[in-house]
Amino acid sequence: DTAVSQTPKYLVTQMGNDKSIKCEQNLGHDTMYWYKQDSKKFLKIMFSYNNKELIINETVPNRFSPKSPDKAHLNLHINSLELGDSAVYFCASSQLDFKNTGELFFGEGSRLTVL
Amino acid sequence: RKEVEQDPGPFNVPEGATVAFNCTYSNSASQSFFWYRQDCRKEPKLLMSVYSSGNEDGRFTAQLNRASQYISLLIRDSKLSDSATYLCVVTTEGGGADGLTFGKGTHLIIQP
Repeated sequence: DTAVSQTPKYLVTQMGNDKSIKCEQNLGHDTMYWYKQDSKKFLKIMFSYNNKELIINETVPNRFSPKSPDKAHLNLHINSLELGDSAVYFCASSQLDFKNTGELFFGEGSRLTVL
Repeated sequence: RKEVEQDPGPFNVPEGATVAFNCTYSNSASQSFFWYRQDCRKEPKLLMSVYSSGNEDGRFTAQLNRASQYISLLIRDSKLSDSATYLCVVTTEGGGADGLTFGKGTHLIIQP
């Protein structure tokens, strides 16, 4: 079983559209994340979320919104897509003590292309 | 100055050689350090933690120099399968949205 799974793996869409990427983890982890990796391979945190707290990277446009129906899921919704949103989006999860272990478990990524 | 800096490479290294690369960090309050590996078009995965006294895992050795604020990764007897991008990760209390900062990675290519 895949520990962190995200769908779709590939997404091609037009500017201005709204799209969602789904993420599920079966590891029983407390915290989930969304990362963006652009064409220069820079991996940047967008959100982290657990049952109690949503932490938003202040540089993320408010067109991006995380939605968590339950502890095992954290979906990413993007409104009014722009060309610059083209990137690979990684979902990840961790235990609360991840800063000691350093271990984030990443999904395989969702490659978004905005035309 | 960027929080975590790495030479992007690529480092082209013949199979069997030893290769080392560094990562510098700007925040002296940084607490924990890790190396991740990312294969082409794949997700990053934890390679190893970096301990203050240095640590080894098979052919891989990680070291931390707090005085000069850098960590290093050394790979001995390199294999073709070591070709990947190696990401330096630094944790800082209160830093970033989750206190975990990734470097841009160093691209390593092992050549036969």
